[in-house]
Amino acid sequence: GAGVSQSPSNKVTEKGKDVELRCDPISGHTALYWYRQSLGQGLEFLIYFQGNSAPDKSGLPSDRFSAERTGGSVSTLTIQRTQQEDSAVYLCASSLAGADTQYFGPGTRLTVL
Amino acid sequence: GENVEQHPSTLSVQEGDSAVIKCTYSDSASNYFPWYKQELGKGPQLIIDIRSNVGEKKDQRIAVTLNKTAKHFSLHITETQPEDSAVYFCAAVDQTGANNLFFGTGTRLTVIP
Repeated sequence: GAGVSQSPSNKVTEKGKDVELRCDPISGHTALYWYRQSLGQGLEFLIYFQGNSAPDKSGLPSDRFSAERTGGSVSTLTIQRTQQEDSAVYLCASSLAGADTQYFGPGTRLTVL
Repeated sequence: GENVEQHPSTLSVQEGDSAVIKCTYSDSASNYFPWYKQELGKGPQLIIDIRSNVGEKKDQRIAVTLNKTAKHFSLHITETQPEDSAVYFCAAVDQTGANNLFFGTGTRLTVIP
């Protein structure tokens, strides 16, 4: 079946602009996660959605970062007033439930000039 | 929170030899330890995982061992092939909690034909 999909695959933006990154999880998966992978680094947790519960936002690095998950499916990660240090690959993962294996999408490579 | 350390950061082996990657974790509550393989331009792909009630798990050429007392776990790849070349990440999580994964910083494995 279809895996996790993300769009766009690449995004180049100018410093100060807002960007939106989209994640389509695997159908039926109730849990959705966003991670950030900076060059040469491991993956850093950003935010976690589980069903209709309030999201765990403990990993968001600043208030310029926010995320929504509409209808328990698609999620959008928004970065406002982008900075050069926001340049990274943003990865989305989903799992069947909160305590199950996470499956990752291909990521969105964000470059802030 | 959890802190995962991974060694080595790079590893080169001859085709057919074995490769071992080691990780340590800090939170004794962590109970799930997945390993991901990431190829260039792709998202991480789960290759094997182990839960804290098991000491070893094997899947064909790949095996993972877990020492809960010492808080370390290792990935073993036998009979390496050029297609095993990739970046490998270990991770740890307490699945009774938020289930967001804490990742090591990755090991770039190169298998020399």
